Amino acid sequence: GENVEQHPSTLSVQEGDSAVIKCTYSDSASNYFPWYKQELGKGPQLIIDIRSNVGEKKDQRIAVTLNKTAKHFSLHITETQPEDSAVYFCAAKATYKYIFGTGTRLKVLA
Amino acid sequence: GAGVSQSPSNKVTEKGKDVELRCDPISGHTALYWYRQRLGQGLEFLIYFQGNSAPDKSGLPSDRFSAERTGESVSTLTIQRTQQEDSAVYLCASSLPPVGGYTFGSGTRLTVV
Repeated sequence: GENVEQHPSTLSVQEGDSAVIKCTYSDSASNYFPWYKQELGKGPQLIIDIRSNVGEKKDQRIAVTLNKTAKHFSLHITETQPEDSAVYFCAAKATYKYIFGTGTRLKVLA
Repeated sequence: GAGVSQSPSNKVTEKGKDVELRCDPISGHTALYWYRQRLGQGLEFLIYFQGNSAPDKSGLPSDRFSAERTGESVSTLTIQRTQQEDSAVYLCASSLPPVGGYTFGSGTRLTVV
């Protein structure tokens, strides 16, 4: 069935360094790939997304890349700050339903 | 409303009791989704509503789980005869297809004791 794998499950970086989270999807019909940030006690919030006709998208310190051939997509956060600490989820959508990765707990150390 | 609203935010119930969770989607959003998030886990799809179409119930884990939605408004998720393994955060999201992304509520944390 449809599956999204996400790595790593936990990631610690020093403030100012970059963080990279990677996802792999199984359904080749997937055409939309959002990333969500979830802070403690809150629902996930959309931070960036990419559609299948685009290879890269950037929004300030956050960027997402997509390799459709390899069915990989990645989140890149540059110049990390303590407020970037949270759980990040990737997702892939083929029809109407998102299939989520298992999440990455990012800790930015001051 | 401005966002997706879920109530209650926390619910503690005894094993075997029934619970009802409520979701108010963003006004005008025709699609509504329920997901379950167990502690430290990802988001598990439960059910999807789109307008007046038949819902996709393929993610409901057992017949103790059911959900309803009236038109394009409020949805309720009901869990009957709760078990300890039902303890989780239940998240609701709404969207405006075809291009609208999900907006999540803050969830209901259910604890079955």
